[in-house]
Amino acid sequence: DTAVSQTPKYLVTQMGNDKSIKCEQNLGHDTMYWYKQDSKKFLKIMFSYNNKELIINETVPNRFSPKSPDKAHLNLHINSLELGDSAVYFCASSPFQGNGNTIYFGEGSWLTVV
Amino acid sequence: SQKIEQNSEALNIQEGKTATLTCNYTNYSPAYLQWYRQDPGRGPVFLLLIRENEKEKRKERLKVTFDTTLKQSLFHITASQPADSATYLCALGGRDSSYKLIFGSGTRLLVRP
Repeated sequence: DTAVSQTPKYLVTQMGNDKSIKCEQNLGHDTMYWYKQDSKKFLKIMFSYNNKELIINETVPNRFSPKSPDKAHLNLHINSLELGDSAVYFCASSPFQGNGNTIYFGEGSWLTVV
Repeated sequence: SQKIEQNSEALNIQEGKTATLTCNYTNYSPAYLQWYRQDPGRGPVFLLLIRENEKEKRKERLKVTFDTTLKQSLFHITASQPADSATYLCALGGRDSSYKLIFGSGTRLLVRP
C-alpha cells in the first residue's frame, strides 16, 4: 500500500519545456509538501498546504506553481524549465501542521533538464 | 542565517559497534528535532522525534540526545548492522505557525560486516 505516491519517478526534458509532477497521499493527512533535494543532498521545503490552503511558500521562482485540488493531492507544475531545476523533488504529507509533525515522504521524482 | 551541520564525510564502522552521528546548528532555536533515514533512490523515513525540553529519547537500538545549550543532537545506533547503512538526516522544527522543518544534508553511515 503506497502511502505517498508521486509520478513520474524519472523525467528527462529539455530546457524551456513545461512539466508537472503529480502527488497523492492515502494517509488521510491534512498537510502536504513539496521538497527539493539538490546534488549536495540538502532537502529544502518549497511549499506546504494545509487542507488545500497554502501555508508555506519559500523563495521559489514563480515558474513553480503548486496546485491542491483536494487535501489528498498536491501537484507541482514547472514552467520554462532551466538547467538548475534538475534535482529530486519529494512530495510529502503529515497528519497536521504543528509542533512535532512527522513527515511521510514519497519516493521522489528525478528531474533532469538538458 | 540558520545553519545545520552534519558531517559530510561517511562514517565507516564495524558491525556490532555503536555508530554516533552528530547534528550541530547555529542561529536557530528549534522547538523540536527529528532524525530521518534515507536509502539511495528513496525518500527519507522518520525515525525519532525529540522536543526541546527532552534530553534523551530511545527506540529499540536507536538513541537521540538533544542539548539546546550546545546546540547539538547526537544520534546513536547500538549493535550496528550492515542493514543500518544509509544516510541519516537531522531536521529542526520551527516555532512559528508554519512549524517548518529545516533539514541537514545528512551523514552517510557504512556498517561493515
